Amino acid sequence: KQEVTQIPAALSVPEGENLVLNCSFTDSAIYNLQWFRQDPGKGLTSLLLIQSSQREQTSGRLNASLDKSSGRSTLYIAASQPGDSATYLCAVRASGSRLTFGEGTQLTVNP
Amino acid sequence: EPEVTQTPSHQVTQMGQEVILRCVPISNHLYFYWYRQILGQKVEFLVSFYNNEISEKSEIFDDQFSVERPDGSNFTLKIRSTKLEDSAMYFCASSEGQVPLYGYTFGSGTRLTVV
Repeated sequence: KQEVTQIPAALSVPEGENLVLNCSFTDSAIYNLQWFRQDPGKGLTSLLLIQSSQREQTSGRLNASLDKSSGRSTLYIAASQPGDSATYLCAVRASGSRLTFGEGTQLTVNP
Repeated sequence: EPEVTQTPSHQVTQMGQEVILRCVPISNHLYFYWYRQILGQKVEFLVSFYNNEISEKSEIFDDQFSVERPDGSNFTLKIRSTKLEDSAMYFCASSEGQVPLYGYTFGSGTRLTVV
């Protein structure tokens, strides 16, 4: 059974800092991995999707990497801003059709 | 940008009542999903739906739950007799393929409160 773990559970940084969020998964036979953002009480906003054949994806200040063999992904956020404050969720698609989510990292960027 | 639309945004219901949560997936998507998130917990998979039938369901999705695509645009989740523990945020999602090129698009959710 696929398990997804995200570290740290919470992170507080000053504005402008670069930061890394970590995601690990137990079953490396995945089809893809997707990073989402969730604001309090709101839905899931897709940030980046990495297919199993890819190593990384970039969108603006965000860069996500994938190392399937070690079961790890990182989300790098450059020059963080207060508007980046949210919970960041990692989800993997392995066998079947379901996404398996981690518990998320709650990020606070202080002005 | 295309969106997945969910209604209502918030529903309060009495224990034992039936509820229907509604979703309009992205129009050219073929795969539809329901997930739920109990407050403070992980987002959990409930069911996936393709070609007018369930393709996968989780252990959570018991006989109290059902899904339907009643017409060409709506996708619904019905809970027949709600329990207190059904209180959660329910998310609908859709994708263009089983292994989508562009990922899964989620709606903004329906917060279900069972009292």
